[in-house]
Amino acid sequence: DQQVKQNSPSLSVQEGRISILNCDYTNSMFDYFLWYKKYPAEGPTFLISISSIKDKNEDGRFTVFLNKSAKHLSLHIVPSQPGDSAVYFCAAVTRDDKIIFGKGTRLHILP
Amino acid sequence: DGGITQSPKYLFRKEGQNVTLSCEQNLNHDAMYWYRQDPGQGLRLIYYSQIVNDFQKGDIAEGYSVSREKKESFPLTVTSAQKNPTAFYLCASSTPTGGLQETQYFGPGTRLLVL
Repeated sequence: DQQVKQNSPSLSVQEGRISILNCDYTNSMFDYFLWYKKYPAEGPTFLISISSIKDKNEDGRFTVFLNKSAKHLSLHIVPSQPGDSAVYFCAAVTRDDKIIFGKGTRLHILP
Repeated sequence: DGGITQSPKYLFRKEGQNVTLSCEQNLNHDAMYWYRQDPGQGLRLIYYSQIVNDFQKGDIAEGYSVSREKKESFPLTVTSAQKNPTAFYLCASSTPTGGLQETQYFGPGTRLLVL
C-alpha cells in the first residue's frame, strides 16, 4: 500500500515554461515533506522541504505547495532549464523520522 | 516478493564499537546506496556502488566503510571514528542507468542509537 504516490512516471516541458510535479499521500500524520532530484548514476539531491504546518515554501526557481485537505503537494519549477531534466522524488517524513518515498517522476526539459 | 530488506530495525551501539548494518536486495539492481537521515534534514549520501566489487564515497563517508562482494548485498559498517553515529540509515538500490525511468527503491531503514 503506497503511502506516497507520484502518479505520473514522466513529464515533458518546454524550456522556459513552468514544470509542475505532483505528489499525493494518504497519511495525514506526516510531519514534513521533501523533494529530491536525481540524475542517472548519482544519489538523490535534496531540493526543498515543507513543514506540514505550512502551505508554501519557495527557494529560487523552486516552490512547493501543500494542500493538506487534499493530501496533495506539488513542486513548481519556473522557468524550467535543461539542467532540470532528472527524476524527482517526493518523500514524506513521519514524526519518528522515517522517510517514505514516492516512485519518482522523470522530467524532460525540451529545447 | 522483490524488494530491499534492512536489518536490524533498531541497533544499539556502545561508544567505541563498530557496528554493521545489513542491506539485501533481490531486485537484480546493479546500483546500491547508503544514506543517513537526521531530524530536520534531508538524506545525505554516505557511499554508493554502481557494480559489484566497486564503490565510491558519497558526501559524508568519513567514519563509515562498505563492501560489495555480491550484487545482492551492500553492508555498511559504522566505525568508532564516526563521531555522531546516531541517525536513521536508509539503503537503496536502482535500476541500471539508461532506462526510461531510473527508480530508486528504498529499504525500511535502520535506526542506530549510541548508548
